[in-house]
Amino acid sequence: AQRVTQPEKLLSVFKGAPVELKCNYSYSGSPELFWYVQYSRQRLQLLLRHISRESIKGFTADLNKGETSFHLKKPFAQEEDSAMYYCALVRAGGQNFVFGPGTRLSVLP
Amino acid sequence: DTGVSQDPRHKITKRGQNVTFRCDPISEHNRLYWYRQTLGQGPEFLTYFQNEAQLEKSRLLSDRFSAERPKGSFSTLEIQRTEQGDSAMYLCASSSIAGINYNEQFFGPGTRLTVL
Repeated sequence: AQRVTQPEKLLSVFKGAPVELKCNYSYSGSPELFWYVQYSRQRLQLLLRHISRESIKGFTADLNKGETSFHLKKPFAQEEDSAMYYCALVRAGGQNFVFGPGTRLSVLP
Repeated sequence: DTGVSQDPRHKITKRGQNVTFRCDPISEHNRLYWYRQTLGQGPEFLTYFQNEAQLEKSRLLSDRFSAERPKGSFSTLEIQRTEQGDSAMYLCASSSIAGINYNEQFFGPGTRLTVL
């Protein structure tokens, strides 16, 4: 069965510091990986997906199949990045999305 | 179209009662998903529809839960004989099966259910 783990419930960094939110997954096939974000009082929304290989709001994530990881990184955190971040996986061709438990990022001034 | 909408936003009910939630997806989206989210957890997949067909159901969806999407537009999620363990946020999302936003889920605001 597919599983997504996010080891940190809370991550606090200072503004301007680099940030890395960890995501590991277990799935033997070819997954599609996503990062979703939920800002305070807003809906859950897509931040980025591995197949697009884009940088969104300065965030990037690389799929490492060897380590089964999809860590989210940003070189210089901003206060407006404070939010709840969820890593999610879906098997290729499927629609049963599996979300991790989430990491709350707090960027301190 | 202002996005995915859900109704009601909050529901308080007594144990044993039936409840029904409604989700209106983005109009051109073929797929519609239901999730449950409890405190400290990410969304848990319950079921999804492609047009009016319910194509996948999670084992979390016990026989007390039923979802419909009769005309391929809005969807309802009914919980019969509610239990206190059903207390959660119920999220709906929709997505398109084609285009640049393929598989990007757009979420609604959720319905928070409290079972007393």
